[in-house]
Amino acid sequence: GAVVSQHPSRVICKSGTSVKIECRSLDFQATTMFWYRQFPKQSLMLMATSNEGSKATYEQGVEKDKFLINHASLTLSTLTVTSAHPEDSSFYICSAGGLAGGYNEQFFGPGTRLTVL
Amino acid sequence: QKEVEQNSGPLSVPEGAIASLNCTYSDRGSQSFFWYRQYSGKSPELIMSIYSNGDKEDGRFTAQLNKASQYVSLLIRDSQPSDSATYLCAVNPGDDYKLSFGAGTTVTVRA
Repeated sequence: GAVVSQHPSRVICKSGTSVKIECRSLDFQATTMFWYRQFPKQSLMLMATSNEGSKATYEQGVEKDKFLINHASLTLSTLTVTSAHPEDSSFYICSAGGLAGGYNEQFFGPGTRLTVL
Repeated sequence: QKEVEQNSGPLSVPEGAIASLNCTYSDRGSQSFFWYRQYSGKSPELIMSIYSNGDKEDGRFTAQLNKASQYVSLLIRDSQPSDSATYLCAVNPGDDYKLSFGAGTTVTVRA
């Protein structure tokens, strides 16, 4: 149980285009999902918290107009990188909040490798 | 002060030895503690969770929690080359799902 999928796993796009990444909780409902970014040899950086039916909460320094997050259902959150540039190339990972043994836990998706040319 | 701090790496251990990873956290009200393993280019994978003081063992992994000292550790016994990865300590400081992560400790197991 507690499986989270991401699609696509890899994407290459041209500078200036937009890219949408999907995050799905496959066997549980997630009211809260999280989006992280990770650059090579660096730790996870939380970008935003996505709450079903409401606006996402962005971390300081993350441009909400550039990284659009939509949590339209209890099993799906999407991250759209708008007008992507080479500096947006990174590993994007989502996670979904759920309960395990009565405690709050995050279940991670496999990640999406974005390369902007 | 960072919310979650891990011992700086990289940590190199010979095959069969014990790898010891340490983590301290600043929020005394934290309830849940996690160790994730992350292979290069992959997403984090949960290997241990611990919620109460003491030891928790799962196979070759043992997590230790001391809330009074705000300290959580992970021991990897009989280390294998496949254990070579970055280990992330994560703490749930409140009653939502948000986690605070340490910077990670990279472990290399020498064959």
